[in-house]
Amino acid sequence: AQTVTQSQPEMSVQEAETVTLSCTYDTSESNYYLFWYKQPPSRQMILVIRQEAYKQQNATENRFSVNFQKAAKSFSLKISDSQLGDTAMYFCAFMKYNNNDMRFGAGTRLTVKP
Amino acid sequence: DAGVIQSPRHEVTEMGQEVTLRCKPISGHDYLFWYRQTMMRGLELLIYFNNNVPIDDSGMPEDRFSAKMPNASFSTLKIQPSEPRDSAVYFCASSLATGAVETQYFGPGTRLLVL
Repeated sequence: AQTVTQSQPEMSVQEAETVTLSCTYDTSESNYYLFWYKQPPSRQMILVIRQEAYKQQNATENRFSVNFQKAAKSFSLKISDSQLGDTAMYFCAFMKYNNNDMRFGAGTRLTVKP
Repeated sequence: DAGVIQSPRHEVTEMGQEVTLRCKPISGHDYLFWYRQTMMRGLELLIYFNNNVPIDDSGMPEDRFSAKMPNASFSTLKIQPSEPRDSAVYFCASSLATGAVETQYFGPGTRLLVL
């Protein structure tokens, strides 16, 4: 079974600073996908970024980027130039290739301070 | 597109009552998922459908839970009878297809409180 671990229950960062959220996972699969979802106080789940395991290049979406280390089974999210609107729960998720059973980590609550 | 639509947004009911949650997926999406989010267990996949057919219901907690998808634009998750431990946020999500990085798009969720 796949497990996803987010070891940081809570984090905070000053506005405009950079923060990195950690995620590790356990799998014997070679093909899979990784996601970061954001859940603001509205509770809506919003996709932040995704990564295909076969791609060596780290995904980037504007201020959000990942550091994907396949051998280490690590998938961290870096948020640059943090904004107040980035305050939310962030969930790391794993999905096997050709399988819709997405597994989520427990989440990291990020607070961006003015 | 309006995104995934869920109703009601909030539901308060008494133990033993029947609860029906509703979901309208994004038009054209082939897959529909029901998740439950609690503090204790986090986000859990309950069941998912492909082209209106249930594919995997191994996450459904017990026989009190049932889900249907009578057509491509509508699904229900029913709890009968409801219990206080069913209190959670229930999310519906949809996606286009599997076999690629097909993102699941989530609805706003239904917050259920069973007294």
